[in-house]
Amino acid sequence: ELKVEQNPLFLSMQEGKNYTIYCNYSTTSDRLYWYRQDPGKSLESLFVLLSNGAVKQEGRLMASLDTKARLSTLHITAAVHDLSATYFCAVANTGNQFYFGTGTSLTVIP
Amino acid sequence: DGGITQSPKYLFRKEGQNVTLSCEQNLNHDAMYWYRQDPGQGLRLIYYSQIVNDFQKGDIAEGYSVSREKKESFPLTVTSAQKNPTAFYLCASTQGSAYNEQFFGPGTRLTVL
Repeated sequence: ELKVEQNPLFLSMQEGKNYTIYCNYSTTSDRLYWYRQDPGKSLESLFVLLSNGAVKQEGRLMASLDTKARLSTLHITAAVHDLSATYFCAVANTGNQFYFGTGTSLTVIP
Repeated sequence: DGGITQSPKYLFRKEGQNVTLSCEQNLNHDAMYWYRQDPGQGLRLIYYSQIVNDFQKGDIAEGYSVSREKKESFPLTVTSAQKNPTAFYLCASTQGSAYNEQFFGPGTRLTVL
C-alpha cells in the first residue's frame, strides 16, 4: 500500500513569513496533487505535478516534485491570513487509486 | 455548470438504519470515488469505480456498499454493519486518463444519533 506522510501536521506562522510543507511518499509515483480544505468544506485542487522536477506556482504558493526522492514541497511566500486552511497532498498509483496525506493545518497569525 | 453534487448536505441516522448518500456528476468522468474523513484526519478510500457496472473496494469498505448503474451516479449506502459511521463523506470523480486530477463534491456530513 502506498503511504503518504506530511509534515508538519500543524503550522502556525506570522503574516509575511515564508515556510515549506513537506510530502513524502513510499513507492514510485509520477503523479502528485496538492489540495486545500477550508473548515467544514470540500477539497479544492491547487496543483497537479506530473513529472520529476515539475514546479508550479500560483500566487504565494509554489509546489515542486522530486520523484527520485519521493518528495514534494509546498512553499508559502509572505503568508497572508487568507492562506489559513488545511493542505493535503495526494499520490496516485497506476490503478488510478489516490492516497492522501494526513494534512497540514496552517494558521496565519496577523 | 459542470460539477459534482452530493445530497443531502447533512444526514442524521439512528443506530441500526441503512442510509444512502447520493453523488451525481455531469463532467462525463469515467471514474468515481467515495472517501471518508474523520475530524482532523486525512481521506480514506471506501470504494471506487472506473467504469459503469464495475467497482472496487478501498481500504475501509466494510459496512458500506455502492452501485454504478449509470456513468453520472455513484450512490453510497452506509449499512448498519458500519460500527462508527459518523463522519464527513466526500465523493470525487476523475477523467479516465491516468494523469487527471480528482474533482470533489461538497460532501455529506453523517451523524449517528
